[in-house]
Amino acid sequence: GEKVEQHESTLSVREGDSAVINCTYTDTASSYFPWYKQEAGKGLHFVIDIRSNVDRKQSQRLIVLLDKKAKRFSLHITATQPEDSAIYFCAASRGVGDNSKLIWGLGTSLVVNP
Amino acid sequence: EAAVTQSPRNKVAVTGGKVTLSCNQTNNHNNMYWYRQDTGHGLRLIHYSYGAGSTEKGDIPDGYKASRPSQENFSLILELATPSQTSVYFCASGLGGAGAETLYFGSGTRLTVL
Repeated sequence: GEKVEQHESTLSVREGDSAVINCTYTDTASSYFPWYKQEAGKGLHFVIDIRSNVDRKQSQRLIVLLDKKAKRFSLHITATQPEDSAIYFCAASRGVGDNSKLIWGLGTSLVVNP
Repeated sequence: EAAVTQSPRNKVAVTGGKVTLSCNQTNNHNNMYWYRQDTGHGLRLIHYSYGAGSTEKGDIPDGYKASRPSQENFSLILELATPSQTSVYFCASGLGGAGAETLYFGSGTRLTVL
């Protein structure tokens, strides 16, 4: 079946540095790519998404890049802060508006060291 | 802020027993989802619903039933619990539709089946 792979299972950065989490997907028809954050003991929380009609999207310190040729997308967190420490999940879907089709990565545990 | 509440937060059950996990959302969202989260598997969709009275099978429905008696409530039922169903279960809701894909998650239920 189709898959989404997160390349980094863990990532450790120093406060103030940038963090980059990379995901690849197998379904060429994927068109929607959200990112979610999970803090310890809590549920997932939406942080940012990108659709296939653009290749870059920014929301404050978060930047998402999409390379459709390589079937790769990445989350860049700039000027990291300790509160950015969490597990980040990427996902992909071909069904715009239909979350039942979301395929999830396994998550990347980000640790921001003060 | 969208609110999704799960109960109980923790549950210990015996093999062969019946378990009901409950989820309530006050967002008036049409769509609701049940996921389980396991190390090495990420998030897997069990059942979902497009509205009151509707339930659909997700990717791993075997051993689970779902019930959506109202817009606000969505339950996951394990009629005969097994140790392999030990996991963390998340409920989520969403409006659905293009441009409204964001999922809102509850805090999770940790289920242990002995």
